[in-house]
Amino acid sequence: QVQLVESGGGVVQPGRSLRLSCAASGFTFSSYGMHWVRQAPGKGLEWVAVISYDGSNKYYADSVKGRFTISRDNSKNTLYLQMNSLRAEDTAVYYCAKQIAVAGTRAFDIWGQGTMVTVSS
Amino acid sequence: DIQMTQSPSSLSASVGDRVTITCRASQGISNYLAWYQQKPGKVPKLLIYAASTLQSGVPSRFSGSGSGTDFTLTISSLQPEDVATYYCQKYNSALGGFTFGPGTKVDIK
Repeated sequence: QVQLVESGGGVVQPGRSLRLSCAASGFTFSSYGMHWVRQAPGKGLEWVAVISYDGSNKYYADSVKGRFTISRDNSKNTLYLQMNSLRAEDTAVYYCAKQIAVAGTRAFDIWGQGTMVTVSS
Repeated sequence: DIQMTQSPSSLSASVGDRVTITCRASQGISNYLAWYQQKPGKVPKLLIYAASTLQSGVPSRFSGSGSGTDFTLTISSLQPEDVATYYCQKYNSALGGFTFGPGTKVDIK
């Protein structure tokens, strides 16, 4: 079945780095734009970054621009989020999400279970 | 940047009630709007995209409408399993701009 599985979360000190991974299965990963979305404890959803199906286009939320990098390896069906210069306010559950296969629509139809990132000294 | 607002921030209604949630964009976004449901402790689920298209498998008591700046999500007959927080989200035809609204928490009275 269609599935996204995140990994790589954990506890990290402020200023340090962490790389999240999202393993995709059950669909043609290389055909879809992919996103990272985060949710701080008890808060709403915040879109973080998007990468096009072939990795040629990437966009970021202002809150992470210059610190986070989204990438993908279509040969490994895996999405990544490199997070540098982490701050306490980056503490959240990080979800990867797949864009729906409908022309002109970029809603997210498949979500992973999320991985928790805690930035604390 | 285009901002998304939702109202109310929370509501409590009885089983069987008709529930309406409003989402407003600070600028026109055509119909590039989706609605998600997030039950407590669960992953968000896509309900509606393109403002009014029901995602496959979503019960028909959910419906969406609107275009431009004003959108609504309606639950025609609230069920206990609909207790959740509902988020609207804008997405542009070009890459970038996937802002979520702040969410509306729905409870049973």
